[in-house]
Amino acid sequence: DIVMTQSTDSLAVSLGERATINCKSSQSVFYNSNNKNYLIWYQQKSGQPPKLLIYWASTRESGVPDRFSGGGSGTDFTLTISSLQAEDVAVYYCQQHYSIPYTFGQGTKLEIK
Amino acid sequence: EVQLVVSGGGSAQPGGSLRLSCAASGFTFSNYWMHWVRQPPGKGLVWVSRINSDGSTTTYADSVQGRLTMSRDNAKNTLYLQMNSLRVEDTAMYYCARESSVSQGLFDYWGQGSLVTVSS
Repeated sequence: DIVMTQSTDSLAVSLGERATINCKSSQSVFYNSNNKNYLIWYQQKSGQPPKLLIYWASTRESGVPDRFSGGGSGTDFTLTISSLQAEDVAVYYCQQHYSIPYTFGQGTKLEIK
Repeated sequence: EVQLVVSGGGSAQPGGSLRLSCAASGFTFSNYWMHWVRQPPGKGLVWVSRINSDGSTTTYADSVQGRLTMSRDNAKNTLYLQMNSLRVEDTAMYYCARESSVSQGLFDYWGQGSLVTVSS
């Protein structure tokens, strides 16, 4: 199984500041055949199901604000929120869909400082 | 509007059974693979199982293989998870999720979840 590790369990950032969340996979999730990283980011607010934010490591889902961006390749990935808003308080999860079983990081709780 | 409504959760004793349902609307259910993902209280997300669009193929996580059975009724636009031989460690919020047409294993819509509690 591919193990997904998010380096920070919790993170506190001031409003308007940049927030960066890291995710590392135990093996590469990059497919050479289509040049894509099989890495997804979800946002989960308290009491709600997860919401898809970013796929292919860097493609924003329709309707997701452009302050959210994803980067990285192979085994190391980042989710960046360029200017933190109050509504961004949530737990963020990375997930690999390179191979079954699909696996998630343990989550990073983002709070306002 | 895509909607996934999960029902059937509740309490069970170890060794007992429960059946979850996920009623889909707002899209052509029979065209999409579907998944179950669970989340133990206060913990992270764990993929449980998947089923292909016509219900002929299922895949399970090792931890639930042989105890949980996923099925679907495309005429009723409903997904099911039959949970037998329940264990304390099956306690979790269970979400159904639609697999995006963009790629396998990419979940673009999630139901609100149903809580399953297994205890004696």
